[in-house]
Amino acid sequence: QKEVEQDPGPLSVPEGAIVSLNCTYSNSAFQYFMWYRQYSRKGPELLMYTYSSGNKEDGRFTAQVDKSSKYISLFIRDSQPSDSATYLCALQNTGFQKLVFGTGTRLLVSP
Amino acid sequence: EAQVTQNPRYLITVTGKKLTVTCSQNMNHEYMSWYRQDPGLGLRQIYYSMNVEVTDKGDVPEGYKVSRKEKRNFPLILESPSPNQTSLYFCASSATSGGYTDTQYFGPGTRLTVL
Repeated sequence: QKEVEQDPGPLSVPEGAIVSLNCTYSNSAFQYFMWYRQYSRKGPELLMYTYSSGNKEDGRFTAQVDKSSKYISLFIRDSQPSDSATYLCALQNTGFQKLVFGTGTRLLVSP
Repeated sequence: EAQVTQNPRYLITVTGKKLTVTCSQNMNHEYMSWYRQDPGLGLRQIYYSMNVEVTDKGDVPEGYKVSRKEKRNFPLILESPSPNQTSLYFCASSATSGGYTDTQYFGPGTRLTVL
């Protein structure tokens, strides 16, 4: 079983839709949860960073962590064509420097 | 501008011909890391370095070498490349705080093809 599972997509939505992207994980030691966005032919860039369970909002983006279910989500409101990218979840253990990445979900937002 | 740079961006080579991919960051970050990204497998860490002269293996270190002689540079060396090392490679760097890494900044990627 992989440490982190993420549906590869692609996920196609019309402009303005609410998007939900998700990852599940198996290691309860993960304490730091991140979402990276990767545009085609570019390196990943950090989008959201949360510690432990709960919600965090930043503009149109909301990150949600449910440690009891080992489930993390990224919600995008009022999605735009410029949101079309691959979204990777990344998790980090307490006491470790390494990030464990999901495989990424490709999102396509059509005008 | 704060950035991580990688060179070359694209490289086609043949089996067994030694190559080096350079990585440089201008943010004075202690931590640097190399990843490879393959379809269906995501980003996998090859090697990382917590500081100058301190390096350690990641998840997929076989066939790769690294060195950290200066804080800003972290080259990836393939002594004898093989076709299964055909991949997209990313270098990343971050500051550290209390032993934990902060936000990782990624370079633009190097697409390597080994024939």
